Amino acid sequence: GAVVSQHPSRVICKSGTSVKIECRSLDFQATTMFWYRQFPKKSLMLMATSNEGSKATYEQGVEKDKFLINHASLTLSTLTVTSAHPEDSSFYICSARLDRGLYGGTEAFFGQGTRLTVV
Amino acid sequence: AQSVAQPEDQVNVAEGNPLTVKCTYSVSGNPYLFWYVQYPNRGLQFLLKYITGDNLVKGSYGFEAEFNKSQTSFHLKKPSALVSDSALYFCAVRDTYIGDDKIIFGKGTRLHILP
Repeated sequence: GAVVSQHPSRVICKSGTSVKIECRSLDFQATTMFWYRQFPKKSLMLMATSNEGSKATYEQGVEKDKFLINHASLTLSTLTVTSAHPEDSSFYICSARLDRGLYGGTEAFFGQGTRLTVV
Repeated sequence: AQSVAQPEDQVNVAEGNPLTVKCTYSVSGNPYLFWYVQYPNRGLQFLLKYITGDNLVKGSYGFEAEFNKSQTSFHLKKPSALVSDSALYFCAVRDTYIGDDKIIFGKGTRLHILP
């Protein structure tokens, strides 16, 4: 199956600093990627839809100036958590959408996630 | 807007018994439906999907799911549970209504297989 690589897998940063998380589709092109945040007690929340060459579409309640998304190429999307605070500590997961055409539908492949801890 | 409901926070099943993890959905158009599994501190692994065609979909690790349009359900099933099936399971939906490209997840159901 298609592979999505997410880096780093773990990061610890100081409060007030910025952290960049990368999401790469290794063997397919993804015009659309998604960023999710997983809160304690497991719920998975869609933060934004990242579209190659255009601005990301953020879900209601997600601060676009805090969570900067850049989808600079067909294989790379980045999420930058700016001025991080302890409450931003979470597990962030990206996914890249693979389009298989009209009859194949689409499938989302997920990165392994990034555990962000802000101290 | 689409939504997904997984009514059970946790499901406990004895090893060797059949298991079912429930999922219902709401969409404007036709749904693409997915099941994913997550092991501790890991990302999501794809299990199976329904796009079109047969309502019974077979996936990885012996799992299957049945699409029921009238009940708007997509329950995950396995005839005989293994201890290694213990994990967090997410149902997800994409609404094919034009312009709505998001994949939305249910809150997850923790499956605990008892040895």
